[in-house]
Amino acid sequence: KQEVTQIPAALSVPEGENLVLNCSFTDSAIYNLQWFRQDPGKGLTSLLLIQSSQREQTSGRLNASLDKSSGRSTLYIAASQPGDSATYLCAGQTGANNLFFGTGTRLTVIP
Amino acid sequence: KAGVTQTPRYLIKTRGQQVTLSCSPISGHRSVSWYQQTPGQGLQFLFEYFSETQRNKGNFPGRFSGRQFSNSRSEMNVSTLELGDSALYLCASSTTGRHDYGYTFGSGTRLTVV
Repeated sequence: KQEVTQIPAALSVPEGENLVLNCSFTDSAIYNLQWFRQDPGKGLTSLLLIQSSQREQTSGRLNASLDKSSGRSTLYIAASQPGDSATYLCAGQTGANNLFFGTGTRLTVIP
Repeated sequence: KAGVTQTPRYLIKTRGQQVTLSCSPISGHRSVSWYQQTPGQGLQFLFEYFSETQRNKGNFPGRFSGRQFSNSRSEMNVSTLELGDSALYLCASSTTGRHDYGYTFGSGTRLTVV
């Protein structure tokens, strides 16, 4: 059974700091990986999708990478802002048509 | 472009009742998946539908069921509700659900069972 671990579980940083969130899969046979953010009580907002032929994706201040050989992904957030405060979830897709979600990292950016 | 629409946003039900949740995917998307999110278990996959057929199912009891209509809208039903069914139920739509297209999620339905 695929299990996904995200480290750290919670992170509190001052505004402006760069930070890295980590995600690892027990089964490295994943096809693609998607990062989401979730605000309290809300649905999921897709941030980045790393497709099967890619190793990283960038959008604005966000950069995500995927190392399939190790089953690890990182999300890099540059120059963090209070509006970045949310829970960040990674999700991998394997052979079946569903996502395996990580446990999430709760990020707080302090003004 | 309209996103994924889930209705209702909130529901309160009594143990033993049944409930039906609705999801309208993005126009043109034919795959609809359902997920349950609880504080203890996180996000867990319920099932996925494509062209009115269930293609994949998670590890949930038979009380959880779903269906998809010809316009790709989907419903999920939970019968004989238990307190443990209280959760945020999220629907996700994808072009085909196959690799590399990604998923777009709705805002969810918050179900509370009392």
